[in-house]
Parts: sequence; C-alpha cells; structure tokens
Amino acid sequence: AQSVAQPEDQVNVAEGNPLTVKCTYSVSGNPYLFWYVQYPNRGLQFLLKYITGDNLVKGSYGFEAEFNKSQTSFHLKKPSALVSDSALYFCAVEGATNKLIFGTGTLLAVQP
Amino acid sequence: DVKVTQSSRYLVKRTGEKVFLECVQDMDHENMFWYRQDPGLGLRLIYFSYDVKMKEKGDIPEGYSVSREKKERFSLILESASTNQTSMYLCASKSQGATGELFFGEGSRLTVL
Repeated sequence: AQSVAQPEDQVNVAEGNPLTVKCTYSVSGNPYLFWYVQYPNRGLQFLLKYITGDNLVKGSYGFEAEFNKSQTSFHLKKPSALVSDSALYFCAVEGATNKLIFGTGTLLAVQP
Repeated sequence: DVKVTQSSRYLVKRTGEKVFLECVQDMDHENMFWYRQDPGLGLRLIYFSYDVKMKEKGDIPEGYSVSREKKERFSLILESASTNQTSMYLCASKSQGATGELFFGEGSRLTVL
C-alpha cells in the first residue's frame, strides 16, 4: 500500500535561515510525489510535484524539493525562510488508482 | 481564475441531523474528491468520483454518502450526523489526464453538537 510519512509535527526556523520539511514515502513502482501548503482557515494549495526527470524540483514561492530514490525521501526545502512561509505543509503520493494519499502534515513556524 | 467552491464555510448541526456539503468546480474536471482533515491525522479520503453518476469509496466512507448528478457538482451527505464527524471537510478536483495536481476548495468546518 502507498503511504507517506512526515516525521516532524512542527519545524521551527528563524527568518532568513534555510528550512527543510521532511517526507518519506512507500510506494510500489515509480512514485508521483507532491507538496501542498495550507494557510490558516484555507484549503490546500499545490506547491510542486515530482513525476520523473531531475531529482531537484522547483515550485512556487521559492520552494524546492529533492527526490532521493535510495532513501525514499522527498524533502521540501527553501534557502531563506520568510515569516509568511509559516503554514501547514503536506506531502502526498499518488496511488495506482489516481488518488492522492497525504501525510499528517508539518507545521512550519518561522520566527522573525 | 480556476475555482472550487464549497457552499458553506462553517456549519453547526445537531446529532442525528442530515447534512449536505456542496462543492462546485468551474474547470470541467472529471475527477472530484472529498477529504476530511483532522489534527494529527492529515487528510483522509472519504469518497471520490471519476465521472458523472460514478463514485468510489475512499479510506473512510462509513457514515457518508455522495452524489454527482452533474459534472461540476459533487455533494457529500451525512445521513445522520454524529459528534465524531465534527471535522474540516475539503473538496478537490482534478483533470482526468493530469498527474496529481488537485485544486482545493476553502473547506467546510462542521461542528456536530
């Protein structure tokens, strides 16, 4: 069965510092992986996805993610965090039946 | 601008009431989904639909049903609401051919007393 794990409930980082939000996955076959962001009291917004090709994927708002097949990871990164990046981040994997399976979410808190 | 609209942002219902959550998308998407979001549990899929009048159970369908009479509209129904259905409900849609990218509505926060 497909699944994703986000091992950290919360990540704290100072503004201007690099940030990483971790995600590991379990899937048979080639993984299709995604990151979404949720701001307070809002729906989820798509950030980026990995389907195939370059292991480093660039997305919205300066975010990027690195696909690592040997470690079955797809960590979200940003070189310099902003206070406005504070939000809930979800990793997801697409299953065989066209459904997205989501992780439990990681709350990113960026301190000024 | 593409849009998924959920009719109610906040609802308060009593135990045993029938509840309808409506979702409309204007992107001509074939696929539509209902998720519920709970702290510490992430998003869990309740039901999804590949086409008009078609529906498939997700991971937690118990206590819910759905209706898709028109392509743009996907309704979630709680036949007899219970307190454990207090949650945030998120509707999403995507094109048949597109890999993954879901477009979400703003969510409907349901409280069952």
